[in-house]
Amino acid sequence: SAVISQKPSRDICQRGTSLTIQCQVDSQVTMMFWYRQQPGQSLTLIATANQGSEATYESGFVIDKFPISRPNLTFSTLTVSNLSPEDSSIYLCSVDINYGYTFGSGTRLTVV
Amino acid sequence: LAKTTQPISMDSYEGQEVNITCSHNNIATNDYITWYQQFPSQGPRFIIQGYKTKVTNEVASLFIPADRKSSTLSLPRVSLSDTAVYYCLVGEKGSGNTGKLIFGQGTTLQVKP
Repeated sequence: SAVISQKPSRDICQRGTSLTIQCQVDSQVTMMFWYRQQPGQSLTLIATANQGSEATYESGFVIDKFPISRPNLTFSTLTVSNLSPEDSSIYLCSVDINYGYTFGSGTRLTVV
Repeated sequence: LAKTTQPISMDSYEGQEVNITCSHNNIATNDYITWYQQFPSQGPRFIIQGYKTKVTNEVASLFIPADRKSSTLSLPRVSLSDTAVYYCLVGEKGSGNTGKLIFGQGTTLQVKP
């Protein structure tokens, strides 16, 4: 299985600012997935990031709020923009390599 | 993508076998059934995956009836460290495809001493 390094592990941000989360994979992957997990809830898929093309966003998520970069086959970033307290969640990246999906350890974001 | 339904919570005691059943009535021909485990402050971790009949690994067994409209995750002799949320997911398997994981609510398993 893949090894994913996700940074930062946690952050506290002010309203109106942005946070960029990085996800580094030890293998080349076609697609990377970004999820949000609100407190006490299940995971919700934000978008799918393909290298060399724009990310595909799920219903309720837009590029202006969650811009994603995918510069190569092992790296992706998710930015959460114009932060509000409602954005306080855990954000996780995930990849699928051959057999099952592997998840990063998550970024716990608190907006104050 | 097939929707899944699981019990919200289950309680068990150490040493018991735990069976968590998941319903997926609209499963497609190409779909696999995968179970994940999530501890607090961690990302989900792959447990087991199957297509039909029975699959067993060092952690769990997965039972899938012939109609594939449900599946049962079996955890033998649970311990306190098995306390976690367990997610049943249905989707296509393999890298390079357009499959994506859609999480349901999951089952919170509480193992008591």
